[in-house]
Amino acid sequence: DAGITQSPRYKITETGRQVTLMCHQTWSHSYMFWYRQDLGHGLRLIYYSAAADITDKGEVPDGYVVSRSKTENFPLTLESATRSQTSVYFCASTPRLASYNEQFFGPGTRLTVL
Amino acid sequence: AQSVTQPDIHITVSEGASLELRCNYSYGATPYLFWYVQSPGQGLQLLLKYFSGDTLVQGIKGFEAEFKRSQSSFNLRKPSVHWSDAAEYFCAVAPSAGGGNKLTFGTGTQLKVEL
Repeated sequence: DAGITQSPRYKITETGRQVTLMCHQTWSHSYMFWYRQDLGHGLRLIYYSAAADITDKGEVPDGYVVSRSKTENFPLTLESATRSQTSVYFCASTPRLASYNEQFFGPGTRLTVL
Repeated sequence: AQSVTQPDIHITVSEGASLELRCNYSYGATPYLFWYVQSPGQGLQLLLKYFSGDTLVQGIKGFEAEFKRSQSSFNLRKPSVHWSDAAEYFCAVAPSAGGGNKLTFGTGTQLKVEL
């Protein structure tokens, strides 16, 4: 199916475990983003990528690692999960750098860290 | 750095009533402004955006928003709310000069529609 997908949609893990959230888009968009959504904070940017092998930190990058070996995939890894990383994670993409371009969002992954 | 304030955390309106959701931004120049809607369990969908020209912009689902530079505001309006409009609404700003395509979101307004 065309669009942007995230997997898994729901994940429960334990403190200290490594978790990888997957994001895949079929549009060949250059830019991809990871956000976390928490009550009272809205969405906050974790990392973004301008192209394959080009990534940069957003507002809240600590505890997260990203990679982008292929244009269509942008996985987010929590190397050692903490309870404070319990959140809903959204991936987004956009075709060009221009700020007025719409970002297209995936359905989200709800992560619970026990 | 840009920032966005949505002063209303929750709003309840009756079906058929008019709606206005407030958004104020902070940015050194005229930013690019967006309204997104998030239905329960879903990702975000763009309702409308402003980046230049006419300060009253029309969006999908009958929504409109007005950019007021003097008030640093970009309020979202709908003349007659439908029960299906119940959702969370996010205002967002992107820099118009440099900064790439990085959105800064407000904390959201949860809309409840009473039948």
